[in-house]
Amino acid sequence: DAGVIQSPRHEVTEMGQEVTLRCKPISGHDYLFWYRQTMMRGLELLIYFNNNVPIDDSGMPEDRFSAKMPNASFSTLKIQPSEPRDSAVYFCAIRDILSGNTIYFGEGSWLTVV
Amino acid sequence: GDSVTQMEGPVTLSEEAFLTINCTYTATGYPSLFWYVQYPGEGLQLLLKATKADDKGSNKGFEATYRKETTSFHLEKGSVQVSDSAVYFCALSDQGSARQLTFGSGTQLTVLP
Repeated sequence: DAGVIQSPRHEVTEMGQEVTLRCKPISGHDYLFWYRQTMMRGLELLIYFNNNVPIDDSGMPEDRFSAKMPNASFSTLKIQPSEPRDSAVYFCAIRDILSGNTIYFGEGSWLTVV
Repeated sequence: GDSVTQMEGPVTLSEEAFLTINCTYTATGYPSLFWYVQYPGEGLQLLLKATKADDKGSNKGFEATYRKETTSFHLEKGSVQVSDSAVYFCALSDQGSARQLTFGSGTQLTVLP
């Protein structure tokens, strides 16, 4: 199976706290993407990596957001400090090598900042 | 730049009705086209795809044909079920955009028994 495992699935945190979202690819990939989904703005691409190297972070809303990919098996998206307007579903996705240019999504991390 | 325009929702149908969700696109290169489905509380799942003109993607009774002349990729199903209720996203991946997906706004489908 292609795809990723995301954690946590759900998080509720207080404004000002640091939030770290995790993504673990479970299949071979060359690209990894972080998306955010909200009712108001739909799906937004935040950042993507190619072979673990960040390529385009122009979608990252503010300096409070940062993402890392220390190796092919792990990536994090960090928000510090968090704000209520960061409440959203955050998806990690990969482009699976074996299936050509198909992108597979994780189940998402549902973040609520109160 | 690339863009995807999707039929506005929500769409409400009775079980066994015919479904069409329209999708048109603008791309600079030769994109691959996708339909993703999102069930309540879940992530996006790939429903079907087509990588070149005149290809037909199909899965779970859903079909979509890549029409280059009309830049369209409409989703169809002959007989919908209650379990098809979800949000459907049309998307494209263009080599010119470094393989990231460009999504439509999504169409909420509700199927009533």
